[in-house]
Amino acid sequence: EAQVTQNPRYLITVTGKKLTVTCSQNMNHEYMSWYRQDPGLGLRQIYYSMNVEVTDKGDVPEGYKVSRKEKRNFPLILESPSPNQTSLYFCASSLFYGVNYGYTFGSGTRLTVV
Amino acid sequence: AQTVTQSQPEMSVQEAETVTLSCTYDTSENNYYLFWYKQPPSRQMILVIRQEAYKQQNATENRFSVNFQKAAKSFSLKISDSQLGDTAMYFCAFMNRPYGSSNTGKLIFGQGTTLQVKP
Repeated sequence: EAQVTQNPRYLITVTGKKLTVTCSQNMNHEYMSWYRQDPGLGLRQIYYSMNVEVTDKGDVPEGYKVSRKEKRNFPLILESPSPNQTSLYFCASSLFYGVNYGYTFGSGTRLTVV
Repeated sequence: AQTVTQSQPEMSVQEAETVTLSCTYDTSENNYYLFWYKQPPSRQMILVIRQEAYKQQNATENRFSVNFQKAAKSFSLKISDSQLGDTAMYFCAFMNRPYGSSNTGKLIFGQGTTLQVKP
């Protein structure tokens, strides 16, 4: 089944403890992106990648890192999480950037930083 | 900056009736794409319908249709014969059509509208 897989689905962590949220797609998509969803703000882009080894900042990149060493994987790294990073996170992918059929989204990761 | 605005935080409708969700956007571009996504309690983001700005005809997918008014920068979603399974948060989203280096493939989302379908 074609899909974007995110792990974990839920995560509670403490301030300052490094964590990684994994994202993997099995559709050979070139474009991958991370979003965070907050009440009243909708979804906002954190980082995106147009292909292997090509990543760039979105609208809210502060406090996050990404890497794209393989086409299928695009992990989101929080080096020193803070409570304002408590949010619902989505990974998304598409065959190329800017396609007119939108993206395939993962099932989301609910992160709580205490 | 391009923005998307959904002015209705919450709406409700009786089962089998019709409801319209509003969305307005702001852009200086002429070519772009518009989308409606559904997010049920499972959190999954599901594409409901899409519209290409250069197409004048309004998109339709079964019970879902849009009213695309390009000059007014309005993109409303109509759900006919509402079903209990339509209960969800709905997001309107905008994307520039790709050309040159200015398009990053970013989807710009509205704030979302929570729709409750009542039996």
